[in-house]
Amino acid sequence: GENVEQHPSTLSVQEGDSAVIKCTYSDSASNYFPWYKQELGKRPQLIIDIRSNVGEKKDQRIAVTLNKTAKHFSLHITETQPEDSAVYFCAARANDYKLSFGAGTTVTVRA
Amino acid sequence: EAGVAQSPRYKIIEKRQSVAFWCNPISGHATLYWYQQILGQGPKLLIQFQNNGVVDDSQLPKDRFSAERLKGVDSTLKIQPAKLEDSAVYLCASSLAGGPGDTEAFFGQGTRLTVV
Repeated sequence: GENVEQHPSTLSVQEGDSAVIKCTYSDSASNYFPWYKQELGKRPQLIIDIRSNVGEKKDQRIAVTLNKTAKHFSLHITETQPEDSAVYFCAARANDYKLSFGAGTTVTVRA
Repeated sequence: EAGVAQSPRYKIIEKRQSVAFWCNPISGHATLYWYQQILGQGPKLLIQFQNNGVVDDSQLPKDRFSAERLKGVDSTLKIQPAKLEDSAVYLCASSLAGGPGDTEAFFGQGTRLTVV
């Protein structure tokens, strides 16, 4: 089955700086890669996703890049703000339609 | 639109007792997922339904966990008997189709289970 690895497990950045989270996946048939944000005690919520036919996608301050050859994808947050502090999860879905998650990255934005 | 509803929000039970969780997905969503999220870890898929059929339950500990989705709508997840290591948040999610064209999975608030 799909194995998704996520790094780093924790990330502390100064407000206004950029944050980058990287994930690798094992199943070359994976074709959908969402990123979820989970605030303390709340449900995971989708912030951005990308399909395998696209190399990059951007939505305001967040962007995701995908390298199918290397089987890795990354989340980029620019101009970080205190409200960006949360746990971020990457995920991958292959043809078996299972959505497999990484272990999560705890992002702390220092004011 | 209404989101994924789960109940109860919290549950504390003693080991060897049984417990059941309920999930009502978003109306019209064919795919329903149950995830287990242990503190500090990512969600782990326990079982995935497509309508009322099981798509994948390879990581469901079938000696103690069971799940059903009658009529392809609501679902219940049961643990009997519970162990200390079952303490976790149980998340239910749903998505529209579950096929290659499917997109976002929407999560419920989760049920926080504590086994003492």
